[in-house]
Amino acid sequence: GESVGLHLPTLSVQEGDNSIINCAYSNSASDYFIWYKQESGKGPQFIIDIRSNMDKRQGQRVTVLLNKTVKHLSLQIAATQPGDSAVYFCAEKGEAGGGADGLTFGKGTHLIIQP
Amino acid sequence: DAGVIQSPRHEVTEMGQEVTLRCKPISGHNSLFWYRQTMMRGLELLIYFNNNVPIDDSGMPEDRFSAKMPNASFSTLKIQPSEPRDSAVYFCASSLNGQGYNEQFFGPGTRLTVL
Repeated sequence: GESVGLHLPTLSVQEGDNSIINCAYSNSASDYFIWYKQESGKGPQFIIDIRSNMDKRQGQRVTVLLNKTVKHLSLQIAATQPGDSAVYFCAEKGEAGGGADGLTFGKGTHLIIQP
Repeated sequence: DAGVIQSPRHEVTEMGQEVTLRCKPISGHNSLFWYRQTMMRGLELLIYFNNNVPIDDSGMPEDRFSAKMPNASFSTLKIQPSEPRDSAVYFCASSLNGQGYNEQFFGPGTRLTVL
């Protein structure tokens, strides 16, 4: 039978507007979180990271917010540009050491920037 | 600096054939990760190495999959025999795993199609 693929959530914003992409994680022991951007035909590209002892971190045009109480992570992109169109993944990592170094990725959100 | 290098970029093979994917991590990085990306399951960690030693292979689907890292600058992921359900994009990533919080840099991926 035909395979049913993942139906990625899609967020469509106007160029120049701000965008917010949300992510819920499941492991309360995760202590490190990363946002990746993946353009078509390319590997995931690091955007910004945050440790669990922080609740906010800012980069260039991007801000990551972490709410450990509800296990929620968000990525804010200011003044979106056409080049921001991509699939965005949140990823979590368990406690440093002890072999828990691999990342667990969320399903991704497809961000579309409209001119 | 060259990023993570993967070869081949595309591989088309027939069911039952052996497939070998190759990865050269970023020079100086001491952790290497193999991920698989499919529409059905998203991005999944297959196995990772620290200092050339396999640490966690719990993500390897079955015995048909094997990975090696004979030295710090080279790793292979082998599928023998290959099956159509192995069709996916396989990513290699590397990091400098000092404190366990460092970002993983992804290669461009190998798109595998098993007919």
